[in-house]
Amino acid sequence: DIQLTQSPSTLSASVGDRVSITCRASQSISTWLAWFQQKPGKAPKLLIYEASTLESGVPSRFSGSGSGTEFTLTISSLQPDDFATYYCQQYNSNSQTFGQGTKVEIK
Amino acid sequence: QVQLVESGGGVVQPGRSLRLSCAASGFTFSIYGMHWVRQAPGKGLEWVAYLSYDGTNKNYADSVKGRFTISRDNSKNTLYLEMSGLRGEDTAIYYCAKKQPGSGPVSSDCWGQGTLVTVSS
Repeated sequence: DIQLTQSPSTLSASVGDRVSITCRASQSISTWLAWFQQKPGKAPKLLIYEASTLESGVPSRFSGSGSGTEFTLTISSLQPDDFATYYCQQYNSNSQTFGQGTKVEIK
Repeated sequence: QVQLVESGGGVVQPGRSLRLSCAASGFTFSIYGMHWVRQAPGKGLEWVAYLSYDGTNKNYADSVKGRFTISRDNSKNTLYLEMSGLRGEDTAIYYCAKKQPGSGPVSSDCWGQGTLVTVSS
């Protein structure tokens, strides 16, 4: 099974900061990687798919990059609404794997 | 708009069974593959099962294989998850999620609000 490792597990930042989250896969997944945002008590929300394609309606301050085994989610200027937990997901087949999550907290 | 509404969760004793439902609306349910994903309290996301648009292709996580069965009724726009032999570690919020459009590998672009299953004596 393909494992995903996110870092860091927790990130403390201020409004306006540029933040990045890394996701590493245990084997190559090409660009079959998505990023989700989840707020407490809510369902996950798709932000980016195919490693770098922004889902419709998602603000352009979110961006994704990478291929193979290393991927990055970047928020160019952190907004109050962005404090949440972020998960990467690989969907190389009809099964999926998620990273363990990165909680973005207010500094 | 696209909407998924899960139901059927509750408190169940270990070893017993439970059936979850996911009612879909706002899109052509019969042409999309669907997933179940769960989240234990305070933990991360865990994929559970997948079913193709026509019900012919199924896939399960090792942790539920042989105990859970995914199915669908396209005439009722509903996805199901039949869970048997429930264990404490199955306690979680269960989400259904719709596959994105496309024939190749795709992610999930719409999720329900989830239904909580608690396995406890």
